[in-house]
Amino acid sequence: KAGVTQTPRYLIKTRGQQVTLSCSPISGHRSVSWYQQTPGQGLQFLFEYFSETQRNKGNFPGRFSGRQFSNSRSEMNVSTLELGDSALYLCASSQTGSLNEKLFFGSGTQLSVL
Amino acid sequence: DQQVKQNSPSLSVQEGRISILNCDYTNSMFDYFLWYKKYPAEGPTFLISISSIKDKNEDGRFTVFLNKSAKHLSLHIVPSQPGDSAVYFCAARRAGNMLTFGGGTRLMVKP
Repeated sequence: KAGVTQTPRYLIKTRGQQVTLSCSPISGHRSVSWYQQTPGQGLQFLFEYFSETQRNKGNFPGRFSGRQFSNSRSEMNVSTLELGDSALYLCASSQTGSLNEKLFFGSGTQLSVL
Repeated sequence: DQQVKQNSPSLSVQEGRISILNCDYTNSMFDYFLWYKKYPAEGPTFLISISSIKDKNEDGRFTVFLNKSAKHLSLHIVPSQPGDSAVYFCAARRAGNMLTFGGGTRLMVKP
């Protein structure tokens, strides 16, 4: 069974641009969540999607958005990029997102904003 | 407001000895706790978890202990191996897949 797949692996953008990151969950997994990892703030929850609906949202500005498709694949978008958005963006999936499920992470997309 | 804290940024242990990683939390609404191992520029790898209704869970060399009254959990690795060297994150969960992570502890196991 393939793991969580994130593309692209690395991305370089300039301030003001926008970016779209993609995540394919493990087959059969319907819950997809996104996390941001930075040296200063650590790992922080962005949002979670289940059955194409955003179910939970972290404390990030509206420039960060996401969506989920009917095949459970998810994308996240960051508009008007700022230098502080440089981070490793991680996607995680689980079957339904219920409390006792394991959460599996992808390898992440390393975003650098210049 | 850090709801999950790992107060030791690093830990060095001799191969074969026990590694004990600690984690404290403040939010009593957390119902499930997980430990992840992470290498740089990679996603976290799930290690072990524990429900708040238990006080211990064991999986091979890894054991997690939960003290709800103290809002404290710990991960024991016995015996420690050089391949265990990585950053370990504890995480707490209370709704869906919204995990709150600690800041991580870098474990170095010396041969």
